[in-house]
Amino acid sequence: EAGVTQFPSHSVIEKGQTVTLRCDPISGHDNLYWYRRVMGKEIKFLLHFVKESKQDESGMPNNRFLAERTGGTYSTLKVQPAELEDSGVYFCASSQGLQRGEKLFFGSGTQLSVL
Amino acid sequence: AQTVTQSQPEMSVQEAETVTLSCTYDTSESDYYLFWYKQPPSRQMILVIRQEAYKQQNATENRFSVNFQKAAKSFSLKISDSQLGDAAMYFCAYAGSNYQLIWGAGTKLIIKP
Repeated sequence: EAGVTQFPSHSVIEKGQTVTLRCDPISGHDNLYWYRRVMGKEIKFLLHFVKESKQDESGMPNNRFLAERTGGTYSTLKVQPAELEDSGVYFCASSQGLQRGEKLFFGSGTQLSVL
Repeated sequence: AQTVTQSQPEMSVQEAETVTLSCTYDTSESDYYLFWYKQPPSRQMILVIRQEAYKQQNATENRFSVNFQKAAKSFSLKISDSQLGDAAMYFCAYAGSNYQLIWGAGTKLIIKP
């Protein structure tokens, strides 16, 4: 069974540029989550999709971040324009069910560096 | 708001020894889950163990066990017979009513051969 796939694994961009991160969840997983860890800080929730719908986007920091999940399969997270404080590791996770104790399957993350 | 605190930025243990990682949390909810996730150098977060707040019995998974003290809001992870492959960042996380995971800052575990 293929796991959660994220790409690119690393991205280095300049301030003001645009970057798009992609996440392919495990096939059949309706729930998809984005988290990020800014350097030296805790991992923070960004948003949660159920199929193609945004269930909870309360963690999105501002309108420079746009997440989509067309067709309920893969998801993209676009940052436009990128700022220095956006640097960090962006994690994607998926799960089949929606219960608090549900096991999340994580990708290896995208390390984003904004210079 | 819920918070999760891991007070040990780094811990080290001799191979084959036992180590305990600390985690405390704060919540006013009565129904929740607690997790320990491991992040090896590959960066992929892996679930180690989980505990439902309503279950009094401490969860165990092979060499990994927790000491869940609900009244004290403490959730420590004990790793027995430490192995080199256990070296990783360990994160404590909380899941309450809104399905978001609330994370601690992580503890880096070093295994000394």
